[in-house]
Amino acid sequence: DARVTQTPRHKVTEMGQEVTMRCQPILGHNTVFWYRQTMMQGLELLAYFRNRAPLDDSGMPKDRFSAEMPDATLATLKIQPSEPRDSAVYFCASGYTGSTFFGPGTRLTVL
Amino acid sequence: AQKITQTQPGMFVQEKEAVTLDCTYDTSDQSYGLFWYKQPSSGEMIFLIYQGSYDEQNATEGRYSLNFQKARKSANLVISASQLGDSAMYFCAMREYTGNQFYFGTGTSLTVIP
Repeated sequence: DARVTQTPRHKVTEMGQEVTMRCQPILGHNTVFWYRQTMMQGLELLAYFRNRAPLDDSGMPKDRFSAEMPDATLATLKIQPSEPRDSAVYFCASGYTGSTFFGPGTRLTVL
Repeated sequence: AQKITQTQPGMFVQEKEAVTLDCTYDTSDQSYGLFWYKQPSSGEMIFLIYQGSYDEQNATEGRYSLNFQKARKSANLVISASQLGDSAMYFCAMREYTGNQFYFGTGTSLTVIP
């Protein structure tokens, strides 16, 4: 049963520290999305890739966030330096036309 | 303008009854897809059902069906024979394949009453 995996599942860090979140998309899926979910803002699209190429990262704060896909089996989202307002659940999703599946999410708390 | 509108913040349904969750969308793309996701209290996002803009028949997946009315730009989710485990947040979403954007609604919280 193919699934999107994300690590870590939970992360507590202090303000100013670097945070790296990893995602393994489902094999064969050509599109990868990064979302952030908070109570106040709901689901916000941060970035997405198609065939590993970044198509849009306009939803990300560019000064501190970066997203990459070094290969087809790994997508990363980095925050440097992290701030308390970055506390949220970060979801990775992968898909193709007709199906898009979410990973379990990384719950980030920045103190 | 909102791309996805879910007008029901909260819904209640009696166990074993059917319930309809509303979703309207806004797009000028000809090629798009409509999705419904379930998010239980555990936080995971569970894919339920998909409808392509060119699909003529309404999508069905078990107890879930998508009532697709293209002219009205609506994509309502129908859950038949509700179960207690259906209590969750439900999100409607749309992918525009031309621009490859993926939009989510604000969600509807469904509570199934025994």
